[in-house]
Amino acid sequence: DQQVKQNSPSLSVQEGRISILNCDYTNSMFDYFLWYKKYPAEGPTFLISISSIKDKNEDGRFTVFLNKSAKHLSLHIVPSQPGDSAVYFCAASLITQGGSEKLVFGKGTKLTVNP
Amino acid sequence: GAVVSQHPSRVICKSGTSVKIECRSLDFQATTMFWYRQFPKQSLMLMATSNEGSKATYEQGVEKDKFLINHASLTLSTLTVTSAHPEDSSFYICSVPGPGLLYNEQFFGPGTRLTVL
Repeated sequence: DQQVKQNSPSLSVQEGRISILNCDYTNSMFDYFLWYKKYPAEGPTFLISISSIKDKNEDGRFTVFLNKSAKHLSLHIVPSQPGDSAVYFCAASLITQGGSEKLVFGKGTKLTVNP
Repeated sequence: GAVVSQHPSRVICKSGTSVKIECRSLDFQATTMFWYRQFPKQSLMLMATSNEGSKATYEQGVEKDKFLINHASLTLSTLTVTSAHPEDSSFYICSVPGPGLLYNEQFFGPGTRLTVL
């Protein structure tokens, strides 16, 4: 049962344009959402996050939007740069009964920014 | 951000052997570390939560006797894949929760590519 879904396995955009990466989730108990960027053969690196009590968080070229009623979040990158080309993972945080944090990841979307 | 190292970065072994993967938190002490596994074109799947001074917590479907976790110190956790088989071939990644707030991001190691022949 995929609790976090990234339905687009890949996305290609032109340099300077906007990249929009989408993520849907099913568990209403998720209270925090994060985006990670991953290059081949490397571990993911944290990009931006948003609490479930907010609907927008912005950090430079990166903005994450959260629509709780639709259980949908998106990452906007503008302007896109060739160096942004990577796999982007959406992750949702859940606090377990034991009080520890657990991250549930989507399958990732491979972004290619063409010069 | 925190620096997390993993060793080895790549290992190839024969079926039936055991492989140990180390995860080190270089910047700060971590009472908790996470172990993930990623198959090609799949998401990172949490295998277990490593707890310093106590037993690891395994996710449903993960065999604790096959994937032995030892949180030896506040900066080191090891994952041992015992009697490895080809289906265990995967990318194993550890992570360390950031200090401070509970909902802080996790810092990931560079991963270990395990290939079992």
